[in-house]
Amino acid sequence: DAKTTQPNSMESNEEEPVHLPCNHSTISGTDYIHWYRQLPSQGPEYVIHGLTSNVNNRMASLAIAEDRKSSTLILHRATLRDAAVYYCILRASGGSNYKLTFGKGTLLTVNP
Amino acid sequence: NAGVMQNPRHLVRRRGQEARLRCSPMKGHSHVYWYRQLPEEGLKFMVYLQKENIIDESGMPKERFSAEFPKEGPSILRIQQVVRGDSAAYFCASSRMTSVGETQYFGPGTRLLVL
Repeated sequence: DAKTTQPNSMESNEEEPVHLPCNHSTISGTDYIHWYRQLPSQGPEYVIHGLTSNVNNRMASLAIAEDRKSSTLILHRATLRDAAVYYCILRASGGSNYKLTFGKGTLLTVNP
Repeated sequence: NAGVMQNPRHLVRRRGQEARLRCSPMKGHSHVYWYRQLPEEGLKFMVYLQKENIIDESGMPKERFSAEFPKEGPSILRIQQVVRGDSAAYFCASSRMTSVGETQYFGPGTRLLVL
């Protein structure tokens, strides 16, 4: 499986935008980029996913580099409830893509 | 539409006892996955089941662990003769399909503590 690299932790202030980076230099052409987050004492929660184009949904935006070797999850206005561990995950379009491979993720702290 | 349900939320067992973890997938979901999260680590895939079938158990320890998803009722993850190293959070997820764009919805987890 292609690997992802994320910073161990990031800090933000409430109401400000947050850009969470993810490097995936060995991504293959058919790998999708998924983001999940895990709030304290809860199960992971789907955030967003994309293949090549930038994506927006009600939770966040996903900006994918043109060469697809990196991506950025954007929270437009961080709230205290966004404090969580954020995981960047690659999923192949075939094979055993049901196995989500979680790394250490990025621990996001949001300051009031 | 209720989310994925897991029970119990917390389970304490002594070494050598059995632990039974239950997972009810979201309505309409026939694919169930179990993951384990050891302290200070990321989640690791254990097993993937469809109704009455184990599709992939490559992440599950060969001994003492078993999983089932019967035609009726919840999926069960069973750990026999628990040891301290089994202490972890066990998460169940479900999905309608397994395509790459299909979201896996996770339950709140069962936190197992082995004394």
